[in-house]
Amino acid sequence: DAGVTQSPTHLIKTRGQQVTLRCSPKSGHDTVSWYQQALGQGPQFIFQYYEEEERQRGNFPDRFSGHQFPNYSSELNVNALLLGDSALYLCASSLESRFEAFFGQGTRLTVV
Amino acid sequence: AQRVTQPEKLLSVFKGAPVELKCNYSYSGSPELFWYVQYSRQRLQLLLRHISRESIKGFTADLNKGETSFHLKKPFAQEEDSAMYYCALSGRGSTLGRLYFGRGTQLTVWP
Repeated sequence: DAGVTQSPTHLIKTRGQQVTLRCSPKSGHDTVSWYQQALGQGPQFIFQYYEEEERQRGNFPDRFSGHQFPNYSSELNVNALLLGDSALYLCASSLESRFEAFFGQGTRLTVV
Repeated sequence: AQRVTQPEKLLSVFKGAPVELKCNYSYSGSPELFWYVQYSRQRLQLLLRHISRESIKGFTADLNKGETSFHLKKPFAQEEDSAMYYCALSGRGSTLGRLYFGRGTQLTVWP
């Protein structure tokens, strides 16, 4: 089992563009959460998906949206990129919400 | 509001010395507390959670509800303990599974 895999590992985008990040959960996991980690900070919760629906959402603008597919994989979309969106984006998967969350290696997004 | 505070951004100790990484939290209710660790060039991984009361790699953490603290301790630090440590909490009910992280403490253990 490869664990949680994220793609791409690095990405450079221009202000105003749109980006899609992808996450494949650990085998057997049905819940996917996304976090943003700015430099020098701890991860901040963006949202969580379960059964293809957004179940919880953190304090992020509507420019951040997501999707979960029937195979439990997930995408994070960010529209109208700002310089401040530059960060490491982490995906975490778990079996429902109440069990241990396993993290991916992250996608480093740089907005120029 | 939920908040996790790790007052030390950097912590250095010598091998064999005791180490304590501090974590304080605020939460209206009974949260679940965790310590996550990130070794160099590795992914974030769970070190321990308070409900399991385990000792992992010699680390322990006791939940003190009166002081709202969940400090991580190890009596004899090893060089391989050098890593970034994050304290995190998860709420119950509708916020179950959502993790609130502190900013992290970078631990360096010198030989």
